[in-house]
Amino acid sequence: QQQVKQSPQSLIVQKGGISIINCAYENTAFDYFPWYQQFPGKGPALLIAIRPDVSEKKEGRFTISFNKSAKQFSLHIMDSQPGDSATYFCAASMGGTSYGKLTFGQGTILTVHP
Amino acid sequence: DADVTQTPRNRITKTGKRIMLECSQTKGHDRMYWYRQDPGLGLRLIYYSFDVKDINKGEISDGYSVSRQAQAKFSLSLESAIPNQTALYFCATRPGTAGGYTFGSGTRLTVV
Repeated sequence: QQQVKQSPQSLIVQKGGISIINCAYENTAFDYFPWYQQFPGKGPALLIAIRPDVSEKKEGRFTISFNKSAKQFSLHIMDSQPGDSATYFCAASMGGTSYGKLTFGQGTILTVHP
Repeated sequence: DADVTQTPRNRITKTGKRIMLECSQTKGHDRMYWYRQDPGLGLRLIYYSFDVKDINKGEISDGYSVSRQAQAKFSLSLESAIPNQTALYFCATRPGTAGGYTFGSGTRLTVV
């Protein structure tokens, strides 16, 4: 069964702190791991993505850490800001005939207090 | 104009009614998807289409049907709505090559 498990369900961080959201997957055929950010009343938007041939990818304050052997990946938000308050989803997909079909985690509601 | 447009944005309907949610895109992408979002469950795939003649069931297709009228249009229908279909519905597109999804702003559907 294709499954992606995300934790925590909710997270409260002070401004300037580090937010960490974790995901674990089961299917070793997954080869693309994106993170999406969703604000209220909006659809999810692609934030950052990684492929399993690298262990880390950084874009500004956002970093994905990837551990292929443990089948885990995480999102780190450095210097968290109130504007980062949103719901975050991890996801995974594979190539072949399933190419492009994303399996999402359960979501994490991040609140950054000023 | 938005790249992916969903209509209506909000809808309240009664149990047993047929309802159609519409999606149109200007990205020129072949691949289109319908997802359902429920609190604590994330987004779950209902149907997906790789082109007008290629439509596939996702993990929760029961009670839903779709129509790909053109490359740019992909509609989701609930033939006989039931209360547990109350959810936020998203349409998304993706290019044929590697790339992220572009989501619409969603349709909030309430079945009473």
